[in-house]
Amino acid sequence: AQTVTQSQPEMSVQEAETVTLSCTYDTSESDYYLFWYKQPPSRQMILVIRQEAYKQQNATENRFSVNFQKAAKSFSLKISDSQLGDAAMYFCAYRSGTSGSRLTFGEGTQLTVNP
Amino acid sequence: GAVVSQHPSRVICKSGTSVKIECRSLDFQATTMFWYRQFPKKSLMLMATSNEGSKATYEQGVEKDKFLINHASLTLSTLTVTSAHPEDSSFYICSATQPGGRANTQYFGPGTRLTVL
Repeated sequence: AQTVTQSQPEMSVQEAETVTLSCTYDTSESDYYLFWYKQPPSRQMILVIRQEAYKQQNATENRFSVNFQKAAKSFSLKISDSQLGDAAMYFCAYRSGTSGSRLTFGEGTQLTVNP
Repeated sequence: GAVVSQHPSRVICKSGTSVKIECRSLDFQATTMFWYRQFPKKSLMLMATSNEGSKATYEQGVEKDKFLINHASLTLSTLTVTSAHPEDSSFYICSATQPGGRANTQYFGPGTRLTVL
């Protein structure tokens, strides 16, 4: 079974600075997808970024980018120029590319952005 | 992007009553929907996978007779908490996948807070 580990329960960053959230996963599959979801205080889950395992290039969405290290099974999220609205719980998630579309979530990292 | 709605957003009920939560995909047809439960400051726990026109697949430890799931159309899945008790109080979230979409990305509803008195 796949597992996803987020080793940082809480992180904080100053506004306008950069922060990196860690995520590692364990799988024996070669075809899979990785996601970062954001859950602000409203509790609406919002897709931040998505990475296909077969792509070597790291995904980027505006101020959000990932560092995908397939061999190390690491998938960290970098938030540049942090904004107050980035404050949220961030979940890393894994999805198999071959067996269904269910997600396996990490435990989450609570990000605080200090003004 | 794909939009998923949930109704109601909050519900308070008495112990022993049943509560129905609706999950709708507003601008796409969802062949698969998922139901999650989330406790405060915790991750999402998958309860069941709901496929249109077939019986839901429940995760281990989830009582199928307690949490009834119906996916009667490609845009609607319902979760009914039967004979609710205070321990069923939680935040329930649904998600839906768009067939043929980007790697079947899951899009989430805004959640329903259930309080059982």
